Amino acid sequence: NAGVTQTPKFRVLKTGQSMTLLCAQDMNHEYMYWYRQDPGMGLRLIHYSVGEGTTAKGEVPDGYNVSRLKKQNFLLGLESAAPSQTSVYFCASSQTGPQHFGDGTRLSIL
Amino acid sequence: AQKITQTQPGMFVQEKEAVTLDCTYDTSDPSYGLFWYKQPSSGEMIFLIYQGSYDQQNATEGRYSLNFQKARKSANLVISASQLGDSAMYFCALSNTGKLIFGQGTTLQVKP
Repeated sequence: NAGVTQTPKFRVLKTGQSMTLLCAQDMNHEYMYWYRQDPGMGLRLIHYSVGEGTTAKGEVPDGYNVSRLKKQNFLLGLESAAPSQTSVYFCASSQTGPQHFGDGTRLSIL
Repeated sequence: AQKITQTQPGMFVQEKEAVTLDCTYDTSDPSYGLFWYKQPSSGEMIFLIYQGSYDQQNATEGRYSLNFQKARKSANLVISASQLGDSAMYFCALSNTGKLIFGQGTTLQVKP
């Protein structure tokens, strides 16, 4: 049982490049979330989805877009990466009960 | 506005002793949940324990218990009989309508 899988695990980008982070869950959860974690801090919510085809902004949505075309997948896009987006990105999913997290994607923007 | 505060950046505890990690929260919603997660140095987020705002009893999960004082808006995590593997970052999180608001975390180091 894979749970929540994030792809890729590591990535280095140059300023201005674009990329998409993929999150896949196999638990049939309705809710999915993208967080970022900066050094020495807790996680902050970027965007979330309450079901297939829906997305909503979280606490720090600027510079990111998301899509939930399939229930099991939640994509996070960076259209024009900036050094301030260097962070560890976590995806999570839930139904009722606690959120289940992926292992994170370490993203560096040079 | 909802807020979570963890005032202890770092804590030390001797192996086999108990330790309490503090967490206070602020919300005006009557229905909410409080979660504790563990983040070891490997980076993954591990769910430990949950307390609902209407739960009458404090939550317990093995060596973890939650000291929930609703009037004080505190939800402290108690780890009994600390083990070396408990060394990690611990996050308290407040949930309302499914979204989580995290505190800044407490780093716990267990000494042999």
